[in-house]
Amino acid sequence: GIQVEQSPPDLILQEGANSTLRCNFSDSVNNLQWFHQNPWGQLINLFYIPSGTKQNGRLSATTVATERYSLLYISSSQTTDSGVYFCAVIFTGGGNKLTFGTGTQLKVEL
Amino acid sequence: KAGVTQTPRYLIKTRGQQVTLSCSPISGHRSVSWYQQTPGQGLQFLFEYFSETQRNKGNFPGRFSGRQFSNSRSEMNVSTLELGDSALYLCASSFTGLTEAFFGQGTRLTVV
Repeated sequence: GIQVEQSPPDLILQEGANSTLRCNFSDSVNNLQWFHQNPWGQLINLFYIPSGTKQNGRLSATTVATERYSLLYISSSQTTDSGVYFCAVIFTGGGNKLTFGTGTQLKVEL
Repeated sequence: KAGVTQTPRYLIKTRGQQVTLSCSPISGHRSVSWYQQTPGQGLQFLFEYFSETQRNKGNFPGRFSGRQFSNSRSEMNVSTLELGDSALYLCASSFTGLTEAFFGQGTRLTVV
């Protein structure tokens, strides 16, 4: 069925380390977004990236739509990067709704 | 510009009661969507409104309903609350529904 899978489910890093989070999706998409959920529950926009590569400071993302995956790179991680990272997509022909992955729980330690 | 505003931030209700949550989208955005987040089910789509019309609906019982006003503000209502309705309810707005979505801070509902 239509689904979004994220890996790894959990990740523990030392401050300063780099990491790659992966999002696989089962069908073609019109929209792909990466979010960071803060401790109070709000989803913070990181990238709107249905295809291509974008960078924003220490974060960058790449979506290869033809191969149905997206990657989020975090470099020189900081403790404030801790939290849950979600990938969400709008599948082509699937209505105007975001389908979320199960998230990656990231913990950055000193 | 102002972001997506959800009110109230926190609610405690008793089983059997009903509740109404409000969402004011970013100015100019005409699409408003609602999502439920629970530890067991993750983030699930409830419904989407565009220009006062419900365009999409998720797989939730009829106790969950919503509406959108001419100024694009939206409300969702849950009637006959059950313990399992305890969740974080998130609202998102976008220009068309297919463009980048922005979320509010959420309403945390606890049913006791």
